[in-house]
Amino acid sequence: AQSVSQHNHHVILSEAASLELGCNYSYGGTVNLFWYVQYPGQHLQLLLKYFSGDPLVKGIKGFEAEFIKSKFSFNLRKPSVQWSDTAEYFCALKGGSGNTGKLIFGQGTTLQVKP
Amino acid sequence: GAVVSQHPSRVICKSGTSVKIECRSLDFQATTMFWYRQFPKKSLMLMATSNEGSKATYEQGVEKDKFLINHASLTLSTLTVTSAHPEDSSFYICSARPSAYNSPLHFGNGTRLTVT
Repeated sequence: AQSVSQHNHHVILSEAASLELGCNYSYGGTVNLFWYVQYPGQHLQLLLKYFSGDPLVKGIKGFEAEFIKSKFSFNLRKPSVQWSDTAEYFCALKGGSGNTGKLIFGQGTTLQVKP
Repeated sequence: GAVVSQHPSRVICKSGTSVKIECRSLDFQATTMFWYRQFPKKSLMLMATSNEGSKATYEQGVEKDKFLINHASLTLSTLTVTSAHPEDSSFYICSARPSAYNSPLHFGNGTRLTVT
């Protein structure tokens, strides 16, 4: 069975602070990993994704994530957050390659950035 | 980019009635769509996988007779909450994946269901 765990449920940062949100997964085979963001009142948007290749993935809005296979982790980072980054962040896993397979989400992390 | 439209965005219904939620992929075809339920301050829980032209695959613990899914075409899936009860009040989100290899899921805006 596949599962995703996000350790930080609620993070509060000041603008310009660095961000790292933890994500660990459990799955025995090939994985596709994603980070989604949900701004207040909006739908989920894809921040970045990892399928294969370079384990350091760069996404939109200055976010990046690093896939560390030995740690089953896919932590999200941003060197300097902005007030507009206030949102809910979800790590997600799809087991297997290609276009089949279901997407399973972590519990989500609420990020609050203080101006 | 790929757009998924979900309708209605909000619905209030009385206990015992049924509510239908539509999910459309506007500019791509989707043989598979997914229905999620999002509880307040909680993650998205996958309810079922909707397969065009065949029966939906439900996750463990999800009542298939209560949450009826119909995927009649490559661009439309519907979720019907039958005999709704207050505990069914939630935020329901659909998603779809374009057929291109390794395409990410695209999400609808969600439907806020309130059962009184």
